[in-house]
Amino acid sequence: SQQGEEDPQALSIQEGENATMNCSYKTSINNLQWYRQNSGRGLVHLILIRSNEREKHSGRLRVTLDTSKKSSSLLITASRAADTASYFCATALGGKLIFGQGTELSVKP
Amino acid sequence: DTGVSQDPRHKITKRGQNVTFRCDPISEHNRLYWYRQTLGQGPEFLTYFQNEAQLEKSRLLSDRFSAERPKGSFSTLEIQRTEQGDSAMYLCASSLDGPGYTFGSGTRLTVV
Repeated sequence: SQQGEEDPQALSIQEGENATMNCSYKTSINNLQWYRQNSGRGLVHLILIRSNEREKHSGRLRVTLDTSKKSSSLLITASRAADTASYFCATALGGKLIFGQGTELSVKP
Repeated sequence: DTGVSQDPRHKITKRGQNVTFRCDPISEHNRLYWYRQTLGQGPEFLTYFQNEAQLEKSRLLSDRFSAERPKGSFSTLEIQRTEQGDSAMYLCASSLDGPGYTFGSGTRLTVV
């Protein structure tokens, strides 16, 4: 079963625009992680936000976490064509990560 | 050490055949995970190891699936009597006792 649900399932924007993806989860968490996957490749870890953090930045990425609403958002600012990929949130359940279904982002040049 | 390696990258097999995939994790990582991913979906957890001990298996892992990690190094995932529904990308990841996985590029299995 999937722990997280991403919204939207697909997002298409122009280069230079910002992209926002949302994730909702079901159980209490210690941390929430975001991963990126280029077509046909493995996942790459982007950023981790702990349950006691509300916002975190890494380059053009900004992640927020609202534990009261069990939700997180990933913002990519000034998007580039190279940001085209699928983005997944993941939370730990027991000893492993459970992933959502992902948001497919397409950035058009 | 260049990351997590998976072999083969692609495998086409006939229904009913057995297949085996290999994963070489980052050498100092003690945890190793197997996931399955179908088109348009997120990775689904199959099983994970801490060193050589298999600590958890998903209910998705039928008795046709078996995974091993002898000596706590590389791991193999075997699928016996493959079915068309087994067609998917099989992803391996490793970590060192903490959050943040390093994934391999996956093995794409096609059962015809």
